Amino acid sequence: GAVVSQHPSRVICKSGTSVKIECRSLDFQATTMFWYRQFPKKSLMLMATSNEGSKATYEQGVEKDKFLINHASLTLSTLTVTSAHPEDSSFYICSARDSGSGSMETQYFGPGTRLLVL
Amino acid sequence: GENVEQHPSTLSVQEGDSAVIKCTYSDSASNYFPWYKQELGKRPQLIIDIRSNVGEKKDQRIAVTLNKTAKHFSLHITETQPEDSAVYFCAATLQKLTFGTGTRLTIIP
Repeated sequence: GAVVSQHPSRVICKSGTSVKIECRSLDFQATTMFWYRQFPKKSLMLMATSNEGSKATYEQGVEKDKFLINHASLTLSTLTVTSAHPEDSSFYICSARDSGSGSMETQYFGPGTRLLVL
Repeated sequence: GENVEQHPSTLSVQEGDSAVIKCTYSDSASNYFPWYKQELGKRPQLIIDIRSNVGEKKDQRIAVTLNKTAKHFSLHITETQPEDSAVYFCAATLQKLTFGTGTRLTIIP
């Protein structure tokens, strides 16, 4: 149980285009999902907290108009990187909390999406 | 906000020996401390966690200790095996996870 999927697993796009990444909780409901960014050999940096039915909460320094987050259902959150540039190239990982679990702290991670902007 | 420091950044251990990774946190309100193992290009996988009302937790070869007064917690892996080689991250959380900088553990056969 507690499986989180991400799609696509990897994407290559041209500079200036937008890229949408999906994060799904497959066997549980998640009112809260998180989006992280990870550079090579670095730690995971929280970008934003995605809340079902409400606006996402962005971390300091993360441009909300650049990284659009939509959490329209209890099992799906999307991250859209708008007008992508080479510096946006990174490994993007989502995680989800199981709303029905007694352990509200545990986060289950998706497999990540590797974005390369040319 | 929370700040988590992790040491060492790299650690090489002979197979069969023990490995210890240490983390400190800054926010005394943090109440949940998970440890994640991440292999190259893969998702972080939860290997063990501890809550602030517990001082120690063990799961087979893996144990975690927490000192709330000193605000530090440690991961202990005993009888290490080659498949333990990976990057390990500690984290501290109140409402959201703050990760440590990671430790690249290499088990030498």
